[in-house]
This record gives sequence, structure tokens and C-alpha cells, in this order.
Amino acid sequence: EIVLTQSPGSLSLSPGERATLSCRASQSVSSSYLAWHQQKPGQAPRLLIYGASIRATGIPDRFSGSGSGTDFTLTISRLEPEDFAVYYCQQYGNSFTWTFGQGTKVEIK
Amino acid sequence: QVQLVESGGGVVQPGRSLRLSCAASGIIFSNYVMHWVRQAPGKGLEWVAVISYDGSNKNYVDSVKGRFTISRDNSKNTLHLQMNSLRAEDTAVYYCARDVRMDVWGQGTTVTVSS
Repeated sequence: EIVLTQSPGSLSLSPGERATLSCRASQSVSSSYLAWHQQKPGQAPRLLIYGASIRATGIPDRFSGSGSGTDFTLTISRLEPEDFAVYYCQQYGNSFTWTFGQGTKVEIK
Repeated sequence: QVQLVESGGGVVQPGRSLRLSCAASGIIFSNYVMHWVRQAPGKGLEWVAVISYDGSNKNYVDSVKGRFTISRDNSKNTLHLQMNSLRAEDTAVYYCARDVRMDVWGQGTTVTVSS
């Protein structure tokens, strides 16, 4: 089973600042199979990025994903008020199993 | 409009059973892998189960293997999760999600296992 470890656990930033979130896998993950989801309180998650770097439909271009192998990054170039949320990385398909990281909470400073 | 709507949650005693459903609309349901994902109170997301587009392949997280069964009815655009021998640690909001990427999510249904 692939374990995903996200860091930091929480991030305190101001609107307009840049956020950099990390996701490290316990073994190599195909870039095609790494996704990022956003979840706001009381809401279902929403797909932001798939294939490590492809923005899902309707996702603003301030969100970008990168990485390969065991190290992946989600970057929010300029935080908007609506971006304060919890972000989860996810790997999919390996041996027909899926796993999530434990999440990174982006909080308003 | 693509929509997934879960139902069937509730309060149940430990050891009892519950069946969740997820009704899909606005999509060709039979084209997609489907998942159940849960979130315990105050915790992160946990993938629970997956079923292939035709139901021929299924897989589960270890903690529910032998207790939960995922199934689908493509003629009714519906996904199910039969949960048996429920435990307190199964208490969570249960979401259904579409596709290998989980690109569409339902709003969730709450399962509480308590005596």
C-alpha cells in the first residue's frame, strides 16, 4: 500500500500570499495517478488537479501542480479568501487501490 | 447536470447492518469506476471501496474487508454499499465519487454507529 504524507499539517498565510503544499509518497507514483482535492468545512471535496499537473474543469489558474516519482507539490500562487480550506493529495489506481494523504489545512493568518 | 446523491445513512447499533445508496444523474453511469470514501468526525478522507464500470472488479480498504460490499446497478444508475457488522469506528460521513480521479462527489450521508 502506498502511503502519502503531506506537509505541513497546517499553513497560516494572508490573502495574496503564495502557498506551497507538499505530498510525499512511500513509493514511486506514476504522475498520471496523482490528484489534489480541496475541501471546505461542511462541504464535499472537490477535485482540483489530476495527473499531477492538470487542472480540473473550472479550476482557476492560480492553482498548479507539479512533481514526479515520490514528491509532488500543489502551489496556490496568490491566495484568495475562498482558498482557505483543507487540501488532500490522492494516488489512484495502484493495484486497484486508492489512498489519501492526511491533509494540509490552509488557514488565514 | 452531473449529480450524485447519497442516501441510507442513519444511527445504528454496533454489530448491525446498513445499506447506503448513491443515485447518479447526468452521466453515463456505466462508463465509470465508482467509489465510496468516508470521513470520520474531525478527520481526513479515507478511501473505502471501488467497483469497476461493469462490477467485475472490486476492492476495499483493509479495515472493511469481509464486512462491507460494494455493488452497482447500471440499469438504475445506482451504487450501493452494504455495511455489515458495523463498529463505532465506522462512524463517518460517507461520500460516493465518480471515476479514477474522483472528479464528481456526492454531498455525503452520515452514518453513526452507537449503542
